[in-house]
Amino acid sequence: GNSVTQMEGPVTLSEEAFLTINCTYTATGYPSLFWYVQYPGEGLQLLLKATKADDKGSNKGFEATYRKETTSFHLEKGSVQVSDSAVYFCALKGRGGGYNKLIFGAGTRLAVHP
Amino acid sequence: EAGVTQSPTHLIKTRGQQATLRCSPISGHTSVYWYQQALGLGLQFLLWYDEGEERNRGNFPPRFSGRQFPNYSSELNVNALELEDSALYLCASSLGDTSPLHFGNGTRLTVT
Repeated sequence: GNSVTQMEGPVTLSEEAFLTINCTYTATGYPSLFWYVQYPGEGLQLLLKATKADDKGSNKGFEATYRKETTSFHLEKGSVQVSDSAVYFCALKGRGGGYNKLIFGAGTRLAVHP
Repeated sequence: EAGVTQSPTHLIKTRGQQATLRCSPISGHTSVYWYQQALGLGLQFLLWYDEGEERNRGNFPPRFSGRQFPNYSSELNVNALELEDSALYLCASSLGDTSPLHFGNGTRLTVT
């Protein structure tokens, strides 16, 4: 079945450091890929998405590229801020039939210090 | 545009009771999903409804059930509550297929 694996946290960085959170997936067919962010005490917010191979999703300085050859969708940001501290979830959504649900990775907690 | 709304925000029940959680999707969205997020754990898929029908179900016992109404709002029922049912329950809605899921802020269920 479909699955998502992302790097374990917590990830602790200083402000303005470069961020990478690794995400790889296993899926039948051609899924859509997403990154969601969860700030303390809140629900999930969609951060970015990519629906086909080589697509690059971007939002708020975050980027991720859909790499079919390596089945990866790594999240990057060039310069993190304290306000980026949150839990980040990588997710995939299959197409059609019973696959049309979002499957999440375990989440990676990011803590950014001034 | 109003987002996904869930009620109540918090719910406290005792073991053995029943809990009912409610969700209103974004206007125009026909698919509703329910997820459980237990403390320290990831998001586990519970149920998916589309056009009033249950389309898929996660690996949860039958005491977790729900329905979707003609206006596409949804209800999650948990019967015979157990302590380990304590979690944040998130509802999401979607236009379908490749469209992303949009989440509400959740209902925090505490079972004592």
